[in-house]
Amino acid sequence: SSELTQDPAVSVALGQTVRITCQGDTLRSYYASWYQQKPGQAPVLVIYGQNNRPSGIPDRISGSSSGSTASLTITGAQAEDEADYYCNSRDTSGNHAFGGGTKLTVL
Amino acid sequence: QVQLQESGPGLVEPSETLSLTCTVSGGSISSYYWGWIRQPPGKGLEWIGYIYYSGSTNYNPSLKSRVTISVDTSKNQFSLNLSSVTATDTAVYYCARLGAGGPSYFDSWGQGTLVTVSS
Repeated sequence: SSELTQDPAVSVALGQTVRITCQGDTLRSYYASWYQQKPGQAPVLVIYGQNNRPSGIPDRISGSSSGSTASLTITGAQAEDEADYYCNSRDTSGNHAFGGGTKLTVL
Repeated sequence: QVQLQESGPGLVEPSETLSLTCTVSGGSISSYYWGWIRQPPGKGLEWIGYIYYSGSTNYNPSLKSRVTISVDTSKNQFSLNLSSVTATDTAVYYCARLGAGGPSYFDSWGQGTLVTVSS
């Protein structure tokens, strides 16, 4: 099955830019999707496809991909962006996998 | 906007079968894939499997021998059965819809339901 690797924790100063990365071989063939999860809440899709945001997701959140690495970038981080972020992708068999998650702290 | 709601027992005894149902409202279950994801307390997300409204399924290889996902289009519901549970199956279980165009991302989630495996 596919494996996706994320850094466990990242911090960013308020108003600065932060990049959260996700590595895995399946990302060479399939786009990652990204989910934001706040304590006690269900995950929320924030990025899918090449760089698509669902309705209601601020445009300071963006996604990109290069080779086996997908990235989620928050430009001008706000206090409300503090959360856990998970990447997800599928493989050729349609099996999905989530990364281990990155805890984002906004200082 | 589609809404999903999980329902089922919050406590299951070891070796028994965990059974959950997800009710979809605000939209039809047809023409989409529907999935289950779980999250053990304090840990990350784990994909369990998904089903197309027509009934075709795909399961996490690590759980495949114990998982069955089914769909009831007449009730706009889909269900999860996980057999022979142990304490390691204790988790918040989420149901979710996969986005249009194929099973590539999860665009709508239920609020989740905590299932504890204990005697």
